[in-house]
Amino acid sequence: QSALTQPPSASGSPGQSVTISCTGTSSDVGGYNYVSWYQHHPGQAPKVIIYEVSRRPSGVPDRFSGSKSGNTASLTVSGLQAEDEADYYCCSYAGSNHVVFGGGTKLTVL
Amino acid sequence: QVQLVESGGGVVQAGLSQRLSCAASGFTFSRYGFHWVRQVPGKGLEWVAVIWYDGGRKEYADSVKGRFSVSRDQFKSIVYLQMNSLRAEDSAVYYCAREAAPTYLGYFDLWGRGTLVTVSS
Repeated sequence: QSALTQPPSASGSPGQSVTISCTGTSSDVGGYNYVSWYQHHPGQAPKVIIYEVSRRPSGVPDRFSGSKSGNTASLTVSGLQAEDEADYYCCSYAGSNHVVFGGGTKLTVL
Repeated sequence: QVQLVESGGGVVQAGLSQRLSCAASGFTFSRYGFHWVRQVPGKGLEWVAVIWYDGGRKEYADSVKGRFSVSRDQFKSIVYLQMNSLRAEDSAVYYCAREAAPTYLGYFDLWGRGTLVTVSS
């Protein structure tokens, strides 16, 4: 159960768009459309922003979008805002009733 | 108020045991499965364990299998994580998370704020 691979950091200016990748294998990301993304402000509870690759829970702004191609999932944050600065984690079902997370990406709003 | 509140963290010596609790409120506890997820300070999230809505099935990450045990009390609306034979590498913030997906695992729609476990050697 190796962790999914995310870039350690990403950044963008307010109003810009940024995309965070999440690379796994055919046993997790590539094998299922069950990728979710979580926003985590340190000291707070993580919050789901995308599930099932591209679905947004109610209340999550449509500035957040998700996609997948092969073994790589992506999270795009459009129209960056200061409050988007946080850690972002991808997560995938990995079969056999197991789950795997990515190593996390620290998003900085310049 | 819909929430999960973890407790039971602290400093424990290597080789000993610790039990974490996750108290749920504001929703029908028995309808949901729950996970434990941990985060070593400064590192990423690591899935630890899951217990099904009825407690009838449990799964564990390889890193904790045989040492950790997850259980639940349907009457008290509490999920437990019993951690035995603790190691330094188990030091982390432990989060409880609610599973929202009906037919698979990995959609955590509610999280607690976590409880810190420090294993001293």
